[in-house]
Amino acid sequence: EAGVAQSPRYKIIEKRQSVAFWCNPISGHATLYWYQQILGQGPKLLIQFQNNGVVDDSQLPKDRFSAERLKGVDSTLKIQPAKLEDSAVYLCASSARTGWDREDSPLHFGNGTRLTVT
Amino acid sequence: LAKTTQPISMDSYEGQEVNITCSHNNIATNDYITWYQQFPSQGPRFIIQGYKTKVTNEVASLFIPADRKSSTLSLPRVSLSDTAVYYCLDNGMDSSYKLIFGSGTRLLVRP
Repeated sequence: EAGVAQSPRYKIIEKRQSVAFWCNPISGHATLYWYQQILGQGPKLLIQFQNNGVVDDSQLPKDRFSAERLKGVDSTLKIQPAKLEDSAVYLCASSARTGWDREDSPLHFGNGTRLTVT
Repeated sequence: LAKTTQPISMDSYEGQEVNITCSHNNIATNDYITWYQQFPSQGPRFIIQGYKTKVTNEVASLFIPADRKSSTLSLPRVSLSDTAVYYCLDNGMDSSYKLIFGSGTRLLVRP
């Protein structure tokens, strides 16, 4: 099966500019996640979707970050305006989780978008 | 806040067995334990998952004691290509469960 696709692979912008990241999850995966990974740290969950509904966005800086998952498939994450501290790798992951599953379905990650804010 | 605790780093040599232990003192009855591996410039990759006792696949073994408050990832005969960051997570079966990564264990395999 095809993996999680993300684009662009790299992005360099100046502070106060806007940027958008795109994710195409594995076909049929109901749950989609966006993580932020700062250099040297573990991934930090920003937002979790199940189909096209938001399950958790408690760690999403909503004053500048937004995300949507149209039709329960592709997703975009936007930052507007960007700050220097937003420099990180943005990882998208998907999972076949649908609810109370008999076994846990692992996350499948894309290779991320590396954002540099100057 | 991560729910698990792991050593920050470990060193090993090619051909050795490596055991990485993770503490998850507050694991819930329905939680699974899952390990991921991450190479530079890539997203984390699922390695193994277990609930209790021992699980083995073609990559690793996972040992979970009866009290389930810790787990040990065992990598047999490591090679240079096993140099990576390893994360353990305890995660619930509910799809709304937050999957929180800690800082992971940086494994360096030397020739």
